[in-house]
Amino acid sequence: DGGITQSPKYLFRKEGQNVTLSCEQNLNHDAMYWYRQDPGQGLRLIYYSQIVNDFQKGDIAEGYSVSREKKESFPLTVTSAQKNPTAFYLCASSPPRVAGLAKNIQYFGAGTRLSVL
Amino acid sequence: LAKTTQPISMDSYEGQEVNITCSHNNIATNDYITWYQQFPSQGPRFIIQGYKTKVTNEVASLFIPADRKSSTLSLPRVSLSDTAVYYCLPETGKLIFGQGTTLQVKP
Repeated sequence: DGGITQSPKYLFRKEGQNVTLSCEQNLNHDAMYWYRQDPGQGLRLIYYSQIVNDFQKGDIAEGYSVSREKKESFPLTVTSAQKNPTAFYLCASSPPRVAGLAKNIQYFGAGTRLSVL
Repeated sequence: LAKTTQPISMDSYEGQEVNITCSHNNIATNDYITWYQQFPSQGPRFIIQGYKTKVTNEVASLFIPADRKSSTLSLPRVSLSDTAVYYCLPETGKLIFGQGTTLQVKP
């Protein structure tokens, strides 16, 4: 059963704590993305990775960190520097571009809802 | 990057056809236009994608005029389960999901 798995579904962070959100895909996609969604708002890009061992900052990278040591995994760490981490976090992946086929479609996980205790 | 403009919200009734128009004035020559649907507390899912003229699949139709500065997602005979947020995205090097259009389907 192919897809993107995010865990945990719900996560609680204490003051000053770092927490890591997991994202795993078995779609053999090269590119992976992390988004943050606040209530009633659209998605904002945190980080993205086009290939293993490489990643770029998105629009709101401050207070977050990522790694891409394996093609199928792209974990996101919410550090204590992120002062307002309460949000819905979405991970996505997309296949490489192939001429003549649909372009850059992203496939999303079910999300992780992070709250602060 | 191509900036998009969509209505913030729309209301409809079951059985009606719904058309959501998105403007993307500075779309790049090679950009496709993709639409996604998002239900509450779920990730967005792909609905349809097109480059020009008309594309139809089992879920929706997508109309793109010759100048490609806008696109219209058409949902035939909506049901309550079509209540969701719909996002329009021109393809760029970095996808930008704006606020989307919240469609509320009423009985």
